[in-house]
Amino acid sequence: GAVVSQHPSWVICKSGTSVKIECRSLDFQATTMFWYRQFPKQSLMLMATSNEGSKATYEQGVEKDKFLINHASLTLSTLTVTSAHPEDSSFYICSARLWGYNSPLHFGNGTRLTVT
Amino acid sequence: QQPVQSPQAVILREGEDAVINCSSSKALYSVHWYRQKHGEAPVFLMILLKGGEQKGHEKISASFNEKKQQSSLYLTASQLSYSGTYFCGTEINQAGTALIFGKGTTLSVSS
Repeated sequence: GAVVSQHPSWVICKSGTSVKIECRSLDFQATTMFWYRQFPKQSLMLMATSNEGSKATYEQGVEKDKFLINHASLTLSTLTVTSAHPEDSSFYICSARLWGYNSPLHFGNGTRLTVT
Repeated sequence: QQPVQSPQAVILREGEDAVINCSSSKALYSVHWYRQKHGEAPVFLMILLKGGEQKGHEKISASFNEKKQQSSLYLTASQLSYSGTYFCGTEINQAGTALIFGKGTTLSVSS
């Protein structure tokens, strides 16, 4: 089945620093990837849609200058949390569809970000 | 718009049944169901498309009533491994865009 790999699994950083999270589709090409954020015991909230070769589409309320998304190839999307603050601590999960509609989302294993 | 899931939590003993509902205020093209264990990524269970179909996966099945804009997930003869949080994810068209997830239903199965 389709595999999405996310790295790192967890990261602890100091307030004010930047953190990059990678999301790779291992056995298929993903022109579109989706980034979600999940706070403890809450739902998966869509942050942005990453489009290969073009700008990401951000959901309302998500700061595009703070959460930089780059989708430079058909198998790699990155999310960079810039100038991280403790309130950015969360579980970040990327996902992709094997093909368009009618196909499920395949999730990466997620990245637990803790900002101290 | 975020779909509404009910109930918020269910506590079962092994072998008991449960139903989790997901409803939307908008017409839906499809409903997806996922289960998430603590600290892990969601795992896909099944997808239901417009057309009122019902699907099954072992002892877990689901239905989709497009007229009522709702879907139900049925867990029969529950097992300990069924414990986790169940999310429905919805999409309103065939664009293949991201899913919008409900707030989740936490299922706890004990022996």
